Amino acid sequence: DVKVTQSSRYLVKRTGEKVFLECVQDMDHENMFWYRQDPGLGLRLIYFSYDVKMKEKGDIPEGYSVSREKKERFSLILESASTNQTSMYLCASSFGFAGFAGPQHFGDGTRLSIL
Amino acid sequence: AQSVTQPDIHITVSEGASLELRCNYSYGATPYLFWYVQSPGQGLQLLLKYFSGDTLVQGIKGFEAEFKRSQSSFNLRKPSVHWSDAAEYFCAVGGGSQGNLIFGKGTKLSVKP
Repeated sequence: DVKVTQSSRYLVKRTGEKVFLECVQDMDHENMFWYRQDPGLGLRLIYFSYDVKMKEKGDIPEGYSVSREKKERFSLILESASTNQTSMYLCASSFGFAGFAGPQHFGDGTRLSIL
Repeated sequence: AQSVTQPDIHITVSEGASLELRCNYSYGATPYLFWYVQSPGQGLQLLLKYFSGDTLVQGIKGFEAEFKRSQSSFNLRKPSVHWSDAAEYFCAVGGGSQGNLIFGKGTKLSVKP
């Protein structure tokens, strides 16, 4: 089975801090994604990456950056955390080859609270 | 514009009753379609997927879904609901090599004894 591991289930940080959320997948997937999930808004794509050192903005990239130095690891960075970034963050991965991508597999999520 | 609509925000069914969750999509190319389930405090688990071929697809936990191109729908069904099926269900559509998905806003399922 695909395993997507997010480094923390719960995280509490203070306004203005730089926050790192880590995600690791064990299936050699090309594609990796970061979403945030808020009640009534569903899942919103923050950033995704289809290869090492490649990144693409999703629907709500403002206030976030990402890093993908190795194929298995995709990090989400909150440059200066704000209270409106309190949310559930979900990481996902999928394989991609020759114009086709498989289903996304998700981690358990990180519930981040910014005080 | 590409979109996914799940018309029902919250559905309550009795244990043992049948279930159908609705999903309609708008997508410019041949869609790949997915249903995910999320238990409270957890990530999303893939229930089933449709890429091509037979329009009735079987998934895990006794779920199935039917792709109807003429109606742009991909409804999820289960003949007999169990209390453990209480969760939130998300329909998603996507395609292309980068695998981006567009998610519906979800349908929360409650199961009464």
